[in-house]
Amino acid sequence: NAGVTQTPKFRILKIGQSMTLQCAQDMNHNYMYWYRQDPGMGLKLIYYSVGAGITDKGEVPNGYNVSRSTTEDFPLRLELAAPSQTSVYFCASRSAGAHEKLFFGSGTQLSVL
Amino acid sequence: KQEVTQIPAALSVPEGENLVLNCSFTDSAIYNLQWFRQDPGKGLTSLLLIQSSQREQTSGRLNASLDKSSGRSTLYIAASQPGDSATYLCAVIRSLGSGSARQLTFGSGTQLTVLP
Repeated sequence: NAGVTQTPKFRILKIGQSMTLQCAQDMNHNYMYWYRQDPGMGLKLIYYSVGAGITDKGEVPNGYNVSRSTTEDFPLRLELAAPSQTSVYFCASRSAGAHEKLFFGSGTQLSVL
Repeated sequence: KQEVTQIPAALSVPEGENLVLNCSFTDSAIYNLQWFRQDPGKGLTSLLLIQSSQREQTSGRLNASLDKSSGRSTLYIAASQPGDSATYLCAVIRSLGSGSARQLTFGSGTQLTVLP
């Protein structure tokens, strides 16, 4: 019953460093999403994917990149970390169909100093 | 652009009380609406999903209603318990063109504390 798995749970970066946030789901979901959540705010969509090999930008894509080489994995890349990217990042997935509930990972808390 | 507002931002009630959380949205052309619960340091857990053609959904002590014409949804929690303490978020979902691609717009949440 793994669901959506995110790693790492916490990370501190220095300005200008790069890193990849990992996300994997074992529910064979086509749709996967990356969100960021700033304190006291709702979630904002960074990127999403409707299937392997297909990705698209969300509301706040600047400074991030994604890839979707398999159905299971949807990593998020930060190339040149900036303090504005300090946030909690959530990966989510869902299946197609009438009951389109979204399943979330437990999040990655990232601080850029 | 869809905007989703949740009022109040925080709510504290004594155990056993019935309560209502509010969610309002500006664009009524939605596909469905979903309520989530978020515990501190955790991801979001889906509570209820209401399709645009539905008026309400129920799960245990939770009841969610949807009024598209007025741009509002409510989450009713009956006989609240300390274990219900969490942040509750609503998300409005719309279609992105053809196929099954969807976009979710989240409210900023209501932080609920149920006092024993």
